[in-house]
Amino acid sequence: AQSVTQLGSHVSVSEGALVLLRCNYSSSVPPYLFWYVQYPNQGLQLLLKYTSAATLVKGINGFEAEFKKSETSFHLTKPSAHMRDAAEYFCAVSEGSGTYKYIFGTGTRLKVLA
Amino acid sequence: NAGVTQTPKFRVLKTGQSMTLLCAQDMNHEYMYWYRQDPGMGLRLIHYSVGEGTTAKGEVPDGYNVSRLKKQNFLLGLESAAPSQTSVYFCASSYPQGGRHNSPLHFGNGTRLTVT
Repeated sequence: AQSVTQLGSHVSVSEGALVLLRCNYSSSVPPYLFWYVQYPNQGLQLLLKYTSAATLVKGINGFEAEFKKSETSFHLTKPSAHMRDAAEYFCAVSEGSGTYKYIFGTGTRLKVLA
Repeated sequence: NAGVTQTPKFRVLKTGQSMTLLCAQDMNHEYMYWYRQDPGMGLRLIHYSVGEGTTAKGEVPDGYNVSRLKKQNFLLGLESAAPSQTSVYFCASSYPQGGRHNSPLHFGNGTRLTVT
């Protein structure tokens, strides 16, 4: 069965510092992987997705993520944090076909310090 | 472009009362989903639908029922609300291309439900 683990429910970084949010997945078949962002009182918005075309995926707002099959990881990074990046981030996995399900991690709340 | 619209935005129920949450999407998506979001637990799938007239159970279906009579609408019902159903409910839709689930979910803004 597929699953997603996000290490760190809360992460704090200084404005301008590197952002690193960790996601590890478990899947019996090559997965499709997603990162979503949720701002307060809103639904989730897609940041980026991995669908096997390229292992380094660039998303919106300067975020990117690298798919590493050997480590079963899909960590999210941004070189320089901005105050507006403060939000909750969710990693999700889909096995691509047949299951029709997207499984979400428990989320990481990012705090950006001035 | 409305996307996914959920109504109502907020609701307070007493234990034992019933209600229906409505989700509407205008993107002609085949698949629709209901999730609940609770602190520290991420999003958990309640029910989903792969097309008009079809529904299936997710991870946490107990206490909920759903219907998909029209392609654009997906209703979530609580027949007898319990305090454990206090949560934020999100509807989402997607359009799987070629049968593969590499297309992202599109979410509504959620319904905040409190059961006292």
